[in-house]
Amino acid sequence: GENVEQHPSTLSVQEGDSAVIKCTYSDSASNYFPWYKQELGKRPQLIIDIRSNVGEKKDQRIAVTLNKTAKHFSLHITETQPEDSAVYFCAASNGDSWGKLQFGAGTQVVVTP
Amino acid sequence: SAVISQKPSRDICQRGTSLTIQCQVDSQVTMMFWYRQQPGQSLTLIATANQGSEATYESGFVIDKFPISRPNLTFSTLTVSNMSPEDSSIYLCSVERPELDGYTFGSGTRLTVV
Repeated sequence: GENVEQHPSTLSVQEGDSAVIKCTYSDSASNYFPWYKQELGKRPQLIIDIRSNVGEKKDQRIAVTLNKTAKHFSLHITETQPEDSAVYFCAASNGDSWGKLQFGAGTQVVVTP
Repeated sequence: SAVISQKPSRDICQRGTSLTIQCQVDSQVTMMFWYRQQPGQSLTLIATANQGSEATYESGFVIDKFPISRPNLTFSTLTVSNMSPEDSSIYLCSVERPELDGYTFGSGTRLTVV
């Protein structure tokens, strides 16, 4: 089955700096890669996703890149703000069902003012 | 995005008892999913529930422990049976609507077994 590895497990950045989280996946059939943000005590919220026919996608301060050959994808947050502090999860789906997601272990991001 | 109502939001249960968690969606969806998130951990898929068929369980999860119902296209339940403290987790339902808003989670049920 699919295996998703996520790094780093914790990330501390100064406000205004950029944050990058990287994930690798094992199943070459995976074709859907969402990123979720989970604040303490709340549900995971989809912040951006990318499909395998696209190499990069951007939404304001958030961008995701995908390298299918290397089987890795990354989340980039620019101009970080204290409200970006949360746990971020990457996930991958092998295509027979987008919903059957395999999640990474998560990255605790702390943005210090 | 899809509106998913999940209840109860939290509960404290005695070991050996069972708890049924309900998940209601504001639109018809083909597939519903149940995840578990243990304290400080990532999300793990328990099972996939399609209307009109038995749920499909992931490795490590069995129907006797986590029976699931899916009576129609907007509703599902997950029962955590014969609970032990190790079952203390957040349980989340989710739905898939790839043509609309992707994949959305309910608000979760925080279960504590004492």
